[in-house]
Amino acid sequence: NAGVTQTPKFRVLKTGQSMTLLCAQDMNHEYMYWYRQDPGMGLRLIHYSVGEGTTAKGEVPDGYNVSRLKKQNFLLGLESAAPSQTSVYFCASSYRLGNTEAFFGQGTRLTVV
Amino acid sequence: GENVEQHPSTLSVQEGDSAVIKCTYSDSASNYFPWYKQELGKGPQLIIDIRSNVGEKKDQRIAVTLNKTAKHFSLHITETQPEDSAVYFCAASLPTSGGYQKVTFGIGTKLQVIP
Repeated sequence: NAGVTQTPKFRVLKTGQSMTLLCAQDMNHEYMYWYRQDPGMGLRLIHYSVGEGTTAKGEVPDGYNVSRLKKQNFLLGLESAAPSQTSVYFCASSYRLGNTEAFFGQGTRLTVV
Repeated sequence: GENVEQHPSTLSVQEGDSAVIKCTYSDSASNYFPWYKQELGKGPQLIIDIRSNVGEKKDQRIAVTLNKTAKHFSLHITETQPEDSAVYFCAASLPTSGGYQKVTFGIGTKLQVIP
């Protein structure tokens, strides 16, 4: 049972490049989330999904897009990376929406130069 | 919206001593308060949680207390061990009109247990 797996673990992008972060969970959770973690700011929600085929904006969605084509996968895309998007990104999933344990992946450290 | 403040930002204790981390929240409608532990290079992991209808919860060396009137909750770790060294995050979960339960995290406390 792998839990939540993120790919890749590290990435360096040049400003303006695009990339996709992949999150996969094997717990059959309906709910999935993408967070970014920055020093002194805790975890901030970028986008979330309440089920296959659905997505919704969190508190810091600008510059990101997401897709949930399959229940077990949640993709985070950066169309035109900016230095302000340098961060550690965490994917999470949960059984219920926001009021039960969230299971986090190991994180993706992204640097935009 | 909800605002969660967490103190202290760093905490050093001697092995065997107790550690206390405090959080306050702003919205009295918040009803779920999880605590996460994040070890270096890993994602956060839930260590304990408490719901608004409970004042205290304990799990071995870890306990959480909730004071709804004062809108604050605290994490207590007794008999600290070096493996307790990590960053701890509190969070408050608030129901919204859209049916989504919005979770707001504190900025984290870096706990160092000195052997």
